[in-house]
Amino acid sequence: GENVEQHPSTLSVQEGDSAVIKCTYSDSASNYFPWYKQELGKRPQLIIDIRSNVGEKKDQRIAVTLNKTAKHFSLHITETQPEDSAVYFCAASGRGSGNTPLVFGKGTRLSVIA
Amino acid sequence: KAGVTQTPRYLIKTRGQQVTLSCSPISGHRSVSWYQQTPGQGLQFLFEYFSETQRNKGNFPGRFSGRQFSNSRSEMNVSTLELGDSALYLCASSPRQGDTEAFFGQGTRLTVV
Repeated sequence: GENVEQHPSTLSVQEGDSAVIKCTYSDSASNYFPWYKQELGKRPQLIIDIRSNVGEKKDQRIAVTLNKTAKHFSLHITETQPEDSAVYFCAASGRGSGNTPLVFGKGTRLSVIA
Repeated sequence: KAGVTQTPRYLIKTRGQQVTLSCSPISGHRSVSWYQQTPGQGLQFLFEYFSETQRNKGNFPGRFSGRQFSNSRSEMNVSTLELGDSALYLCASSPRQGDTEAFFGQGTRLTVV
């Protein structure tokens, strides 16, 4: 089955700096790669996603890149703010003969220091 | 549109007991997945149901089981509870399987004593 590795497990940045979180996946059939943000005591919520036919996607301060050949994808947050502090999860799933479920990485705890 | 609803929000059980958790998906969503969340382990996939059938299963012992009803509501059951089963159990619903956004409920916090 699919296996998703996520690094780093914790990340501290100064307010205004950029943050990068990286993930790798194992199943070449995976074609959907979402990123979820979970604030303390709250449910995970989708912040951005990318499909395998796209190499990069941006939404204001957030961007995701995908390298299908290397089976890795990354989340980039620019001009970080204290409200970006949360746990971020990457995930991978596929739609095909197996319809693989959404498998998550172990998460990255991002702390933005004011 | 109402979000994903999980009940109960909190549970305290004794080792050896069994427990049933409930999840009501967003109206129209047919896929329901369950995850166990523990510190340091992230979101571990338990199983996925679609149209009342289990479509995928994670690496959990047979003590963990689930089902889905015709209205897409889902339940998961854990029998012979162990201390290590203490966790936040999250369910997520999607319109379909695979490559689509999953919407999470607030979770059920299970404590086994």
